[in-house]
Amino acid sequence: EAGVTQSPTHLIKTRGQQATLRCSPISGHTSVYWYQQALGLGLQFLLWYDEGEERNRGNFPPRFSGRQFPNYSSELNVNALELEDSALYLCASSPLGSYEQYFGPGTRLTVT
Amino acid sequence: QKEVEQDPGPLSVPEGAIVSLNCTYSNSAFQYFMWYRQYSRKGPELLMYTYSSGNKEDGRFTAQVDKSSKYISLFIRDSQPSDSATYLCAMTGFKTIFGAGTRLFVKA
Repeated sequence: EAGVTQSPTHLIKTRGQQATLRCSPISGHTSVYWYQQALGLGLQFLLWYDEGEERNRGNFPPRFSGRQFPNYSSELNVNALELEDSALYLCASSPLGSYEQYFGPGTRLTVT
Repeated sequence: QKEVEQDPGPLSVPEGAIVSLNCTYSNSAFQYFMWYRQYSRKGPELLMYTYSSGNKEDGRFTAQVDKSSKYISLFIRDSQPSDSATYLCAMTGFKTIFGAGTRLFVKA
């Protein structure tokens, strides 16, 4: 069974630009979660999508947004990039009604 | 007070040692507990999950939950150098939160 996939692996942007990160969940999983993992700060919850709807968001500014497509894949958009947005962005998926989250390898975003 | 507390370490042990990793949490609404292992520059990997108080064993790993004390543990028996990683606790109920992670080094 294929795991959660994320693209791109690495992304380098300059301050003020926009970044788009993509995630494909495990087949059959309907929920997708996005996390930011900055160096030394642990996993910070960004967004939760389920059945195409945003169910919850963490304490991040509105320039962090996303969506979930009918095939349950998801996209995270970060507008007006700032240097402190440099981090590993992790996507996780879980099946309907389950609490276990299965993570992808992450996208490392570097803002210069 | 943080919702979950986890000692960041690093914790260094010799090969073959028993490792104990712990987290405490403050909100009794959390009902489901998980442990993840994360190797450097990789995504976290789900190791174990448990719902109730008590012990759950899987090979060399044992997860322990004490809801009355709001304390969870992960024990690793016969630790191996390949166990060297960061271990994150996680708990969920009305929301999911992760501990900061404990860095473990197992020396050959």
